[in-house]
Amino acid sequence: KQEVTQIPAALSVPEGENLVLNCSFTDSAIYNLQWFRQDPGKGLTSLLLIQSSQREQTSGRLNASLDKSSGRSTLYIAASQPGDSATYLCAVPPLNQAGTALIFGKGTTLSVSS
Amino acid sequence: DAGVTQSPTHLIKTRGQQVTLRCSPKSGHDTVSWYQQALGQGPQFIFQYYEEEERQRGNFPDRFSGHQFPNYSSELNVNALLLGDSALYLCASSLSGEETQYFGPGTRLLVL
Repeated sequence: KQEVTQIPAALSVPEGENLVLNCSFTDSAIYNLQWFRQDPGKGLTSLLLIQSSQREQTSGRLNASLDKSSGRSTLYIAASQPGDSATYLCAVPPLNQAGTALIFGKGTTLSVSS
Repeated sequence: DAGVTQSPTHLIKTRGQQVTLRCSPKSGHDTVSWYQQALGQGPQFIFQYYEEEERQRGNFPDRFSGHQFPNYSSELNVNALLLGDSALYLCASSLSGEETQYFGPGTRLLVL
């Protein structure tokens, strides 16, 4: 059974700092991995989707990497801003199935102070 | 183009009651998935509907049921509500065969 873990559970940084969020999964037979952002009490916004054949994806100040063999993904945020404050969730489809249910980690809650 | 919409935004019920939540998918999408997110947890998959049929189901009891209409909108019904059903219920839509799911803002359910 696939399990997704995110460390740390919470992170506080000053504005301008570069930071890394971690995501690990127990079964490396994944089809893809997604990173989402969730503002308090709101829905999820997809940030990046990495296919299993890819090593990384970039969007603006965000860079996500994927290492299937070690069961890990990282989300790198450059030059953090107060507007980046949110909960970041990673998710994978179960056992190499695409377009179906997603298994989520509990998320990392990021707070960026000005 | 409207994204995924959900109604109501908030709901308060008492134990034992029944509730119906509604979701309209993003234009052009034919697949709807429902997730339950308890406070401080990640979303948990409830079920997915495609072509008006339940295609996949997570580890939720039969008290949780759903429906998809010909226009692809969907309902989530929960019977015999328990205190533990209090959560944010998220709907996500996608186009069958594509990987990206688009999430709605959620319905916050409180069971007293």
